[in-house]
Amino acid sequence: DAKTTQPPSMDCAEGRAANLPCNHSTISGNEYVYWYRQIHSQGPQYIIHGLKNNETNEMASLIITEDRKSSTLILPHATLRDTAVYYCIVRVAHTGNQFYFGTGTSLTVIP
Amino acid sequence: DAGVIQSPRHEVTEMGQEVTLRCKPISGHDYLFWYRQTMMRGLELLIYFNNNVPIDDSGMPEDRFSAKMPNASFSTLKIQPSEPRDSAVYFCASSFGSGHSSYEQYFGPGTRLTVT
Repeated sequence: DAKTTQPPSMDCAEGRAANLPCNHSTISGNEYVYWYRQIHSQGPQYIIHGLKNNETNEMASLIITEDRKSSTLILPHATLRDTAVYYCIVRVAHTGNQFYFGTGTSLTVIP
Repeated sequence: DAGVIQSPRHEVTEMGQEVTLRCKPISGHDYLFWYRQTMMRGLELLIYFNNNVPIDDSGMPEDRFSAKMPNASFSTLKIQPSEPRDSAVYFCASSFGSGHSSYEQYFGPGTRLTVT
């Protein structure tokens, strides 16, 4: 699976949009982009995933560049409960379902 | 659904003792994963099962570690003998497999293991 690069940490003001970038320049055509987050002491939680098109759900939006070499997770109105480590993962959907988590981005939402 | 259930939530044991961690996946999921998380190494995949069969155990650190899945609703991760460097949070996760486009994994609350 392709390697991803994320900034180690970010801050965001409460109520503002949090934009978390991820670089996956070696992504293959059949690899999906997944985002998970881990709130302190809890298990990782699925947020969203996509292949080519931008995606939106009740938690977040995922913007994938046209060349698919990078993506941005957007939390439209960050709250204190969004403080967590966010992981960007790329994987081929049919290969055994395993995910390889990197170091992620530690997002701190500031009151 | 109650989600992925793990027990115990906390385990403190002495070096050399056997430790057994337990996991009940979400009903209907056919994949089960065991992960270990430490500050130094982050979240590591140890082993995963498909339809109760171990598929890839290349992440299991040593022969002291073993995992079983006797049926679709139960799995164990055993460490024998335990060592202080095994101290970590162990997560179990489950997911649907083929035929589902998203494959997202659902994680349990974890077992915090401390070996003294």
